[in-house]
Amino acid sequence: AQKITQTQPGMFVQEKEAVTLDCTYDTSDPSYGLFWYKQPSSGEMIFLIYQGSYDQQNATEGRYSLNFQKARKSANLVISASQLGDSAMYFCAMRPPSGNQFYFGTGTSLTVIP
Amino acid sequence: GEEVAQTPKHLVRGEGQKAKLYCAPIKGHSYVFWYQQVLKNEFKFLISFQNENVFDETGMPKERFSAKCLPNSPCSLEIQATKLEDSAVYFCASSQGRLARETQYFGPGTRLLVL
Repeated sequence: AQKITQTQPGMFVQEKEAVTLDCTYDTSDPSYGLFWYKQPSSGEMIFLIYQGSYDQQNATEGRYSLNFQKARKSANLVISASQLGDSAMYFCAMRPPSGNQFYFGTGTSLTVIP
Repeated sequence: GEEVAQTPKHLVRGEGQKAKLYCAPIKGHSYVFWYQQVLKNEFKFLISFQNENVFDETGMPKERFSAKCLPNSPCSLEIQATKLEDSAVYFCASSQGRLARETQYFGPGTRLLVL
């Protein structure tokens, strides 16, 4: 069975600082995709970054990067130079090789302090 | 279109009434997914479609929920005889294919409130 764990219900970070949001996953599939989404208070789900299980390099997208440690089954999101607009819920998700549904963690609420 | 569209944005129903939600996937995307988000942090998978065919319906409470994706029409999710616990945000998502690397793009959601 697939399982995603986000152990930080809430995080605070000072503006312009970097923050790491944790995500661990459990799967027996060798091939899978890992995704992070941002959900601001307005409610929409915004895709941020993707990491494939066979990717050798950590994914990066602008200020977002993924610290992927396959042996530890972790895929932590790093946000550099935090901005006030980064305040939101962040969800980690996994898509198995069958390619069907996403499995979501329970999210981390990030608050950026001016 | 370039975005997943969902209507309506908000829906209020009395307990026992019917609710119908609509979703237009991104043009060219073959897969459509419905998720229910409760309590702002739990996502529950309901059903997925490959074009107009049901791909996976393992998450659907079949006694009251039904869904369709017909050619040239928005996909729909219908709840017969709504219950208080159906109050949630219902997201539709679409993806081009079903490989593990393919992103699911989400619509803005429909917020259903059952009174």
